[in-house]
Amino acid sequence: DTGVSQDPRHKITKRGQNVTFRCDPISEHNRLYWYRQTLGQGPEFLTYFQNEAQLEKSRLLSDRFSAERPKGSFSTLEIQRTEQGDSAMYLCASSLDGGSRSGNTIYFGEGSWLTVV
Amino acid sequence: AQSVTQLGSHVSVSEGALVLLRCNYSSSVPPYLFWYVQYPNQGLQLLLKYTSAATLVKGINGFEAEFKKSETSFHLTKPSAHMSDAAEYFCAVIGGSSTLTFGKGTMLLVSP
Repeated sequence: DTGVSQDPRHKITKRGQNVTFRCDPISEHNRLYWYRQTLGQGPEFLTYFQNEAQLEKSRLLSDRFSAERPKGSFSTLEIQRTEQGDSAMYLCASSLDGGSRSGNTIYFGEGSWLTVV
Repeated sequence: AQSVTQLGSHVSVSEGALVLLRCNYSSSVPPYLFWYVQYPNQGLQLLLKYTSAATLVKGINGFEAEFKKSETSFHLTKPSAHMSDAAEYFCAVIGGSSTLTFGKGTMLLVSP
């Protein structure tokens, strides 16, 4: 069990550029979540997948954001035409089926820091 | 609908003193409740969770929390603070949703 892995850990980009983050969940976990965390705030839910199906999206996930999990394993989160307000830490998490409502723990990665200049 | 309120953005204690971090929740259905800890530049680590079994929950690193339905609270305590406990602590709830809703966090500062 190597835990949830995220790449890159840090990304600095110019406003208007596109960025992509990758998340590798714990191998047997079929649920994968994306959260965003800004300074001084708790993590905010963006979206989650059950295997390859994207089951829920937050209102925070504007049309510039897209997440995929093509084979039900790793996931990518792409932000197009980045804005300064996108600067945040993007956290990926995973869990067994049913998520925490079934008592299963949601495990978080170490996050990907995005700075838009 | 579900939400969490953490009272106090910063809590300062001396090493060896009692730690008390407050969390109140709102949920339209019986909730599951969690405490996570975040060290600088790291992700979140689960400390403990309440999933409708025993109301007093013990977690890692000597932390525990008690679910009190009448007070809609889930406060986190530790009898004796250690310097290594300095971190940010997040309370989270799952109520009617399938996903965690977090509070804004409480930074715990431990002085020698």
